[in-house]
Amino acid sequence: QSALTQPPSVSGSPGQSVTISCTGTSRDVGFYNRVSWYQQPPGTAPKLIIYEVSIRPSGVPDRFSGSKSGNTASLTISGLQAEDEAYYYCTSFTKSSTFVFGTGTKVSVL
Amino acid sequence: QVQLVESGGGVVQPGRSLRLSCATSGFIFSNYGMHWVRQAPGRGLEWVAIIWYDGTYKYYADSVKGRFTISRDNSNNTLFLQMNDLRAEDTAVYYCARVRTPYSGYDFNYWGQGALVTVSS
Repeated sequence: QSALTQPPSVSGSPGQSVTISCTGTSRDVGFYNRVSWYQQPPGTAPKLIIYEVSIRPSGVPDRFSGSKSGNTASLTISGLQAEDEAYYYCTSFTKSSTFVFGTGTKVSVL
Repeated sequence: QVQLVESGGGVVQPGRSLRLSCATSGFIFSNYGMHWVRQAPGRGLEWVAIIWYDGTYKYYADSVKGRFTISRDNSNNTLFLQMNDLRAEDTAVYYCARVRTPYSGYDFNYWGQGALVTVSS
């Protein structure tokens, strides 16, 4: 159960777009469309922002979008805002009926 | 509104046991799968375990398999995590989380505030 690989950090100016990759294997990300993304500001519990690769829960701004190609999922934040500064984690269901999180990415707004 | 409240955290010596509880309210507990997720200080999220809505299926991360047991009491709307043979690397904030839709196990859209477990001699 190795963690999914995410870049440690990404940054952008307000209004720009940033993309976070989440690379797994054919036993997790590439196996099933059960990839979710969570936003975690420091000192708070995580919040679900994308599920089933690309679906936004009610209340999540449409500047957050998700996609997947092969063993790599991606989260794009368009029109970056100061309030988007947080850690972001992907997670995937696996062939073993377990779950695995990504290593986490810190998004900074310059 | 949905509420999840963890309790039972604290400081424990290596090799000892601890049981976490997660009291829930605001939804039909017996219809939803539940997870435990942990986060070591300054580190990322780590999935720990899942229990299906009726307790039929339970799955664990390799790092805790054989030492931790997830269970639930549907009559009292409470989730548990029994942690045995604790190690220093189990030190973390432990979150309970509810799945997004009934009768499934995917996606965690409600989280508790977390309970800190510190394993130290």
